[in-house]
Amino acid sequence: GEDVEQSLFLSVREGDSSVINCTYTDSSSTYLYWYKQEPGAGLQLLTYIFSNMDMKQDQRLTVLLNKKDKHLSLRIADTQTGDSAIYFCAAFFSGGYNKLIFGAGTRLAVHP
Amino acid sequence: NAGVTQTPKFRILKIGQSMTLQCTQDMNHNYMYWYRQDPGMGLKLIYYSVGAGITDKGEVPNGYNVSRSTTEDFPLRLELAAPSQTSVYFCASSYPGLAGGPYEQYFGPGTRLTVT
Repeated sequence: GEDVEQSLFLSVREGDSSVINCTYTDSSSTYLYWYKQEPGAGLQLLTYIFSNMDMKQDQRLTVLLNKKDKHLSLRIADTQTGDSAIYFCAAFFSGGYNKLIFGAGTRLAVHP
Repeated sequence: NAGVTQTPKFRILKIGQSMTLQCTQDMNHNYMYWYRQDPGMGLKLIYYSVGAGITDKGEVPNGYNVSRSTTEDFPLRLELAAPSQTSVYFCASSYPGLAGGPYEQYFGPGTRLTVT
């Protein structure tokens, strides 16, 4: 069935790079997404990648997609304390109705 | 644009009580969704709607009901609240998503519900 998995915690030092990983099961997903959730808030779209791309860069964010291994990663360069949040990976499925399948979320903690 | 708004922000219910979680969007989106978020479990889809008058069940619909009388509003009703319904509830909305274009869901700030 449709599933998205990601590790639950990541701790990094301020100024270092963070890499959050995600795997998904359905190779027909046309779009893959990263959402960010700050404490007490809803989810906000951070970035997305189309399935025919290997990489997408957006300022400090780099998304890598390995379609063969169904593996997605989000790299945050020069991680700041304001990056502390939960990051959700999501895959788009269009069978039946359009929906997103979310991973459990990775809590990123940035320490000085 | 206010985006997606939800009320209330917090609520404590006793077992067996009922309540309605309100959700409104002002982006004229066809699709609306209700999710629940449990710690370490990601988001689970409760119900969704593809337009006014059309609703359907998601992954975890038991214990909930919805209605969609207007494009803007998508209330979620809890009947006979149970401790297992303690969670954070998020409403989201989107356009249907077109071939060749990204599909984005816009989320409300959430309602934190505790059932004791």
